[in-house]
Amino acid sequence: ETGVTQTPRHLVMGMTNKKSLKCEQHLGHNAMYWYKQSAKKPLELMFVYNFKEQTENNSVPSRFSPECPNSSHLFLHLHTLQPEDSALYLCASSQDWAYEQYFGPGTRLTVT
Amino acid sequence: EDQVTQSPEALRLQEGESSSLNCSYTVSGLRGLFWYRQDPGKGPEFLFTLYSAGEEKEKERLKATLTKKESFLHITAPKPEDSATYLCAVQATGTTDSWGKFQFGAGTQVVVTP
Repeated sequence: ETGVTQTPRHLVMGMTNKKSLKCEQHLGHNAMYWYKQSAKKPLELMFVYNFKEQTENNSVPSRFSPECPNSSHLFLHLHTLQPEDSALYLCASSQDWAYEQYFGPGTRLTVT
Repeated sequence: EDQVTQSPEALRLQEGESSSLNCSYTVSGLRGLFWYRQDPGKGPEFLFTLYSAGEEKEKERLKATLTKKESFLHITAPKPEDSATYLCAVQATGTTDSWGKFQFGAGTQVVVTP
């Protein structure tokens, strides 16, 4: 595997379900990010981890819970989501916060 | 408040018809400006980083330039495979205790027809 991978690529979940999104980076980077991308809107930064420490939580509802066990892996735990949470969730990584980010292919999430 | 605005929202070009995309920004201090390309159903793909006014970067048919208030992405003699959404992102300067946030524009959707 190379670059940034995300699983699953597609996810349909009910409002009462619990699921997790997984991201893995194979670039040796030490910063990882979660973004939300909705149609016709700019990417919204959700969470940032730098050296496994969460350094940013952009006022994200508590129904989204990130986890970063090491500098290569990032999870986004989802529970009791709302239909408006349906979007493309993108993971990215960078070598420190000062450099360009490399993105994974995203997870297309649909909340029914 | 930091802002990033891209124009136009959408651009339709004939193959070979050169054009430019605009990214205007308002930020207290610029750390870097980034251009990405995004194909449907995929994550953004990094293209360029620009750090200071007057800087230019080129890659194949794409050329990015930067001034103190805006950046342009010039597409020279585009081909259908250049069809994508082009995203601009700005990173503000941080402090010793916090880092500069990335802020993305909404993108310009480019369609190049044969």
